[in-house]
Amino acid sequence: GENVEQHPSTLSVQEGDSAVIKCTYSDSASNYFPWYKQELGKRPQLIIDIRSNVGEKKDQRIAVTLNKTAKHFSLHITETQPEDSAVYFCAAKWGTGFQKLVFGTGTRLLVSP
Amino acid sequence: SAVISQKPSRDICQRGTSLTIQCQVDSQVTMMFWYRQQPGQSLTLIATANQGSEATYESGFVIDKFPISRPNLTFSTLTVSNMSPEDSSIYLCSVESATSTDTQYFGPGTRLTVL
Repeated sequence: GENVEQHPSTLSVQEGDSAVIKCTYSDSASNYFPWYKQELGKRPQLIIDIRSNVGEKKDQRIAVTLNKTAKHFSLHITETQPEDSAVYFCAAKWGTGFQKLVFGTGTRLLVSP
Repeated sequence: SAVISQKPSRDICQRGTSLTIQCQVDSQVTMMFWYRQQPGQSLTLIATANQGSEATYESGFVIDKFPISRPNLTFSTLTVSNMSPEDSSIYLCSVESATSTDTQYFGPGTRLTVL
Protein backbone atom coordinates (compact mmCIF):
# COMPACT_ATOMS: atom_id res chain seq x y z
CA GLY A 1 0.00 0.00 0.00
CA GLU A 2 0.83 3.67 0.05
CA ASN A 3 3.25 5.08 2.59
CA VAL A 4 3.73 8.81 3.18
CA GLU A 5 6.77 10.16 5.00
CA GLN A 6 6.85 13.73 6.29
CA HIS A 7 9.76 15.89 7.45
CA PRO A 8 10.59 17.63 9.66
CA SER A 9 8.52 16.57 12.65
CA THR A 10 8.98 20.01 14.22
CA LEU A 11 9.92 23.32 12.67
CA SER A 12 10.58 26.59 14.47
CA VAL A 13 10.88 29.84 12.54
CA GLN A 14 10.83 33.54 13.24
CA GLU A 15 7.89 35.60 12.11
CA GLY A 16 8.43 36.70 8.53
CA ASP A 17 10.64 33.75 7.63
CA SER A 18 9.65 31.04 5.17
CA ALA A 19 8.81 27.48 6.17
CA VAL A 20 9.06 24.37 4.04
CA ILE A 21 7.61 20.96 4.86
CA LYS A 22 8.42 17.96 2.70
CA CYS A 23 6.60 14.70 2.03
CA THR A 24 7.45 11.64 -0.01
CA TYR A 25 5.08 8.94 -1.16
CA SER A 26 5.73 5.42 -2.30
CA ASP A 27 3.08 4.57 -4.90
CA SER A 28 3.34 6.31 -8.25
CA ALA A 29 -0.39 5.68 -8.78
CA SER A 30 -1.25 8.31 -6.15
CA ASN A 31 -2.79 11.28 -7.92
CA TYR A 32 -4.02 13.80 -5.35
CA PHE A 33 -2.05 15.47 -2.56
CA PRO A 34 -3.78 17.69 0.01
CA TRP A 35 -2.32 19.58 2.94
CA TYR A 36 -4.22 20.04 6.19
CA LYS A 37 -3.62 22.45 9.05
CA GLN A 38 -4.70 21.40 12.52
CA GLU A 39 -4.70 23.91 15.34
CA LEU A 40 -4.74 22.65 18.90
CA GLY A 41 -8.10 21.12 19.76
CA LYS A 42 -9.51 21.79 16.30
CA ARG A 43 -10.35 19.71 13.28
CA PRO A 44 -7.91 19.33 10.35
CA GLN A 45 -8.61 22.02 7.77
CA LEU A 46 -7.73 21.72 4.11
CA ILE A 47 -5.42 24.59 3.16
CA ILE A 48 -4.21 23.64 -0.30
CA ASP A 49 -4.09 20.65 -2.60
CA ILE A 50 -2.49 19.60 -5.86
CA ARG A 51 -3.27 16.99 -8.46
CA SER A 52 -0.75 14.88 -10.27
CA ASN A 53 -1.14 16.74 -13.57
CA VAL A 54 0.08 19.98 -12.00
CA GLY A 55 3.60 20.83 -10.80
CA GLU A 56 2.88 23.82 -8.59
CA LYS A 57 -0.06 25.62 -7.05
CA LYS A 58 -0.11 28.83 -5.09
CA ASP A 59 -2.66 30.52 -2.85
CA GLN A 60 -1.47 33.79 -1.34
CA ARG A 61 1.30 32.94 1.14
CA ILE A 62 1.14 29.19 0.69
CA ALA A 63 2.26 27.07 -2.23
CA VAL A 64 2.63 23.39 -2.95
CA THR A 65 5.06 21.82 -5.40
CA LEU A 66 4.95 18.29 -6.76
CA ASN A 67 7.74 16.24 -8.30
CA LYS A 68 6.14 13.08 -9.68
CA THR A 69 9.42 11.60 -10.82
CA ALA A 70 10.93 11.80 -7.37
CA LYS A 71 7.54 11.14 -5.69
CA HIS A 72 7.74 14.05 -3.35
CA PHE A 73 5.72 17.17 -2.68
CA SER A 74 6.33 20.18 -0.46
CA LEU A 75 4.39 22.89 1.33
CA HIS A 76 5.89 26.37 1.27
CA ILE A 77 4.69 29.12 3.59
CA THR A 78 6.15 32.58 3.05
CA GLU A 79 6.10 35.56 5.40
CA THR A 80 5.07 33.34 8.30
CA GLN A 81 2.87 34.75 11.04
CA PRO A 82 2.24 33.51 14.59
CA GLU A 83 -1.22 32.33 13.52
CA ASP A 84 0.47 29.89 11.15
CA SER A 85 1.58 27.93 14.22
CA ALA A 86 -0.15 24.54 14.04
CA VAL A 87 0.40 20.94 13.04
CA TYR A 88 0.47 20.39 9.28
CA PHE A 89 -0.35 17.05 7.67
CA CYS A 90 0.32 16.03 4.11
CA ALA A 91 -1.63 13.21 2.50
CA ALA A 92 -1.75 11.19 -0.68
CA LYS A 93 -4.88 9.74 -2.23
CA TRP A 94 -4.39 6.13 -3.15
CA GLY A 95 -6.23 2.91 -3.65
CA THR A 96 -7.48 0.21 -5.93
CA GLY A 97 -11.24 0.35 -6.30
CA PHE A 98 -12.25 3.31 -4.17
CA GLN A 99 -9.48 5.68 -3.12
CA LYS A 100 -8.57 6.92 0.33
CA LEU A 101 -6.22 9.41 1.93
CA VAL A 102 -3.01 8.20 3.55
CA PHE A 103 -1.58 10.81 5.92
CA GLY A 104 1.94 11.75 6.80
CA THR A 105 3.05 11.86 10.41
CA GLY A 106 2.65 15.63 10.77
CA THR A 107 4.88 18.67 11.27
CA ARG A 108 4.51 20.93 14.26
CA LEU A 109 5.25 24.47 13.07
CA LEU A 110 6.01 27.15 15.64
CA VAL A 111 6.27 30.74 14.45
CA SER A 112 7.81 33.02 17.05
CA PRO A 113 7.02 36.75 17.03
CA SER B 1 -17.66 22.99 1.87
CA ALA B 2 -20.09 20.74 3.71
CA VAL B 3 -21.07 21.53 7.29
CA ILE B 4 -20.29 18.50 9.42
CA SER B 5 -21.33 18.00 13.03
CA GLN B 6 -20.51 15.25 15.47
CA LYS B 7 -22.09 14.14 18.73
CA PRO B 8 -20.91 13.91 21.40
CA SER B 9 -18.02 16.35 21.26
CA ARG B 10 -16.39 14.54 24.14
CA ASP B 11 -17.12 11.78 26.60
CA ILE B 12 -15.54 9.93 29.48
CA CYS B 13 -16.48 6.27 29.57
CA GLN B 14 -15.83 3.25 31.73
CA ARG B 15 -13.88 0.26 30.55
CA GLY B 16 -16.05 -2.42 28.95
CA THR B 17 -18.83 -0.08 27.84
CA SER B 18 -19.67 1.10 24.32
CA LEU B 19 -20.10 4.57 22.84
CA THR B 20 -21.85 5.53 19.64
CA ILE B 21 -20.65 8.63 17.82
CA GLN B 22 -22.92 10.38 15.37
CA CYS B 23 -21.89 12.30 12.26
CA GLN B 24 -24.36 14.56 10.47
CA VAL B 25 -23.74 16.41 7.20
CA ASP B 26 -25.84 19.26 5.83
CA SER B 27 -25.80 17.87 2.29
CA GLN B 28 -25.94 14.47 0.66
CA VAL B 29 -22.57 12.80 0.29
CA THR B 30 -21.63 9.44 -1.15
CA MET B 31 -18.60 8.55 0.90
CA MET B 32 -18.10 9.08 4.61
CA PHE B 33 -14.94 8.15 6.43
CA TRP B 34 -14.12 7.49 10.07
CA TYR B 35 -10.65 8.29 11.41
CA ARG B 36 -8.89 7.87 14.72
CA GLN B 37 -6.31 10.35 15.95
CA GLN B 38 -4.43 9.24 19.02
CA PRO B 39 -2.86 11.99 21.17
CA GLY B 40 -0.09 13.75 19.30
CA GLN B 41 -0.40 11.42 16.33
CA SER B 42 -1.54 11.49 12.74
CA LEU B 43 -4.89 10.45 11.35
CA THR B 44 -5.57 6.76 10.80
CA LEU B 45 -8.47 5.61 8.68
CA ILE B 46 -10.74 3.16 10.47
CA ALA B 47 -13.29 2.51 7.74
CA THR B 48 -15.14 3.89 4.77
CA ALA B 49 -18.93 4.03 4.88
CA ASN B 50 -20.80 4.02 1.60
CA GLN B 51 -24.56 4.40 1.84
CA GLY B 52 -26.40 1.18 1.14
CA SER B 53 -23.45 -1.15 1.58
CA GLU B 54 -21.32 -2.59 4.34
CA ALA B 55 -18.50 -0.44 5.59
CA THR B 56 -15.00 -1.26 4.39
CA TYR B 57 -12.51 -1.60 7.24
CA GLU B 58 -8.79 -0.91 7.17
CA SER B 59 -6.22 -3.37 8.37
CA GLY B 60 -6.23 -3.55 12.14
CA PHE B 61 -9.87 -2.51 12.55
CA VAL B 62 -12.76 -4.97 12.72
CA ILE B 63 -16.50 -4.63 12.55
CA ASP B 64 -17.10 -6.24 15.94
CA LYS B 65 -15.04 -3.54 17.63
CA PHE B 66 -16.08 -0.58 15.44
CA PRO B 67 -19.53 -1.24 13.96
CA ILE B 68 -20.65 1.47 11.55
CA SER B 69 -24.06 2.40 10.27
CA ARG B 70 -24.84 4.51 7.21
CA PRO B 71 -28.63 4.69 6.95
CA ASN B 72 -28.78 7.60 4.50
CA LEU B 73 -26.66 10.07 2.54
CA THR B 74 -26.32 12.60 5.37
CA PHE B 75 -25.72 10.50 8.48
CA SER B 76 -23.42 7.85 9.89
CA THR B 77 -22.57 6.38 13.27
CA LEU B 78 -19.44 4.75 14.62
CA THR B 79 -19.64 2.61 17.74
CA VAL B 80 -16.59 1.91 19.85
CA SER B 81 -17.40 -1.37 21.57
CA ASN B 82 -16.11 -2.98 24.74
CA MET B 83 -13.82 -0.04 25.34
CA SER B 84 -10.41 -0.13 26.96
CA PRO B 85 -8.08 2.77 27.87
CA GLU B 86 -6.24 2.14 24.58
CA ASP B 87 -9.35 3.38 22.77
CA SER B 88 -8.88 6.85 24.26
CA SER B 89 -8.52 9.00 21.20
CA ILE B 90 -10.18 11.58 19.00
CA TYR B 91 -12.58 10.10 16.46
CA LEU B 92 -13.28 12.15 13.36
CA CYS B 93 -15.71 11.69 10.55
CA SER B 94 -14.90 13.03 7.12
CA VAL B 95 -16.81 13.45 3.89
CA GLU B 96 -15.96 13.95 0.27
CA SER B 97 -16.89 17.24 -1.28
CA ALA B 98 -20.00 17.17 -3.46
CA THR B 99 -18.18 19.15 -6.16
CA SER B 100 -14.82 17.36 -6.03
CA THR B 101 -14.65 13.79 -4.83
CA ASP B 102 -10.92 14.19 -4.22
CA THR B 103 -11.48 16.78 -1.53
CA GLN B 104 -12.27 15.70 2.01
CA TYR B 105 -13.54 17.77 4.91
CA PHE B 106 -13.49 16.80 8.56
CA GLY B 107 -15.98 17.01 11.35
CA PRO B 108 -15.01 18.60 14.67
CA GLY B 109 -14.15 15.27 16.26
CA THR B 110 -15.21 13.38 19.37
CA ARG B 111 -12.69 13.25 22.18
CA LEU B 112 -13.07 9.93 23.99
CA THR B 113 -11.44 9.11 27.31
CA VAL B 114 -11.76 5.58 28.65
CA LEU B 115 -11.04 5.02 32.33
